[in-house]
Amino acid sequence: DAKTTQPTSMDCAEGRAANLPCNHSTISGNEYVYWYRQIHSQGPQYIIHGLKNNETNEMASLIITEDRKSSTLILPHATLRDTAVYYCIVKETSGSRLTFGEGTQLTVNP
Amino acid sequence: NAGVTQTPKFRILKIGQSMTLQCTQDMNHNYMYWYRQDPGMGLKLIYYSVGAGITDKGEVPNGYNVSRSTTEDFPLRLELAAPSQTSVYFCASTASYSNQPQHFGDGTRLSIL
Repeated sequence: DAKTTQPTSMDCAEGRAANLPCNHSTISGNEYVYWYRQIHSQGPQYIIHGLKNNETNEMASLIITEDRKSSTLILPHATLRDTAVYYCIVKETSGSRLTFGEGTQLTVNP
Repeated sequence: NAGVTQTPKFRILKIGQSMTLQCTQDMNHNYMYWYRQDPGMGLKLIYYSVGAGITDKGEVPNGYNVSRSTTEDFPLRLELAAPSQTSVYFCASTASYSNQPQHFGDGTRLSIL
C-alpha cells in the first residue's frame, strides 16, 4: 500500500472549516483514500473514503486531486468535539489491511 | 446495535501471567483484526483473520496468539506477559467485500508490571 504524509498538527477555530491535507504521491490506480479519526485514545472512527471523485457525507468532504497524489479532508464547521488525531490511509480495493501512520493532531479552539 | 465489543476495558497483569482479550462483533463480518497502539503512536497490526478457521500474522505478532472458531469472535491470547506488551489493544472488523471501512471497538488498556 502507498505511504501517506500528513502534517503533525493543525489548529482550527471553532465554527470554521478545518482542511486537513494528505500527500500520497505513490498511490496506484486501485488504491482508495480513507480517513479515520481517533478521539482521545478511543477506537478509531471511520470518516470517509474515495477513489478519484470528490465525496461528501454527513461528517466531512473529501477532495482528491485529479492526479490522485494528494487529498484534503474538510470538516465544514469544526466543533470542539472534532479535536482528534486524523489518519489518512491508502488501501488497495482488494486488500483489507489498514496501515496507520502518525496522523495529524487537529485541535479546535474556542 | 453493538458493533465491535471488547472485554475487558482495563487490566493489570504481572510479568509472566497470561490472559485472553475478547472481541466479538454482531455485523456478520468475515474480516477481523487486532491492533496495538503504544503512547503517541499509530496502530500496528498484530493478527488478522479473513474468516472462521483462518488467521494470519500482521506486523507485530510475536508474543501473541489468536484463534477464530466462529465468525463473531476473535480472541487474542498473551501467553507470557512482558512489560513491552503494555499498550492499548483494538479489535476491528469489516465485511469481506472490497473498500468497506473497518469498525473498531473501544479498546482494552493493558498494563504489565
